[in-house]
Amino acid sequence: DIQMTQSPSTLSASVGDRVTITCRASQSINSWLAWYQQRPGKAPNLLIYQASSLESDVPFRFSGSGSGTEFTLTISTLQADDSATYYCQQYFDFPWTFGQGTKVEVK
Amino acid sequence: EVQLVESGGDLIQPGGSLRLSCAASGFTFSTYDMNWIRQAPGKGLEWISYIGRSGSPIKYADSVKGRSTISRDNARNSLYLQMNGLRDEDTAIYYCVRVSGGGRSDYWGQGSLVTVSS
Repeated sequence: DIQMTQSPSTLSASVGDRVTITCRASQSINSWLAWYQQRPGKAPNLLIYQASSLESDVPFRFSGSGSGTEFTLTISTLQADDSATYYCQQYFDFPWTFGQGTKVEVK
Repeated sequence: EVQLVESGGDLIQPGGSLRLSCAASGFTFSTYDMNWIRQAPGKGLEWISYIGRSGSPIKYADSVKGRSTISRDNARNSLYLQMNGLRDEDTAIYYCVRVSGGGRSDYWGQGSLVTVSS
């Protein structure tokens, strides 16, 4: 199985900050990577697919990059509404696997 | 508007069985692959099963393989997950998820809670 490792596990930042989350795959997944945002008590919401494609209606402050085994999710200007847990997921091969999540706290 | 509404979650004793259902609307169900993804309380996301738009291919995570059966009824716009031999570790919110082009999981239901406990 392909293991996905996110870092950091938690981060605290202020409104307006630039935030970066890293996701590493245990083997190459080309660009078959998605990022999801999950607010407490809610279902996950797709932000980025194919490593860098922004899903419809997702704010432009979210961006993704990377290929192969290393990927990043960047929030260019953190907003209070971005307080959530973020997950990466590979869909290169079954079983599809998720990272353990990164909890973002907005100070 | 795309909607996925899960039902069937319940409190079940270990060893019991359960069938989850997902009613889809707002899109042409028969043209999309579908997933079940679950989340144990306070834990991360776990993909557990996939079914192609015509009913194949079918894939399972090792954690549920041999105990679970995914199926769909395109005429009824419905997705199902039959779970047998339930264990404590199957306690989770189960999400019905649409798979779009390339494999991204673009729409999620609100989830159905399955609690396995004696």
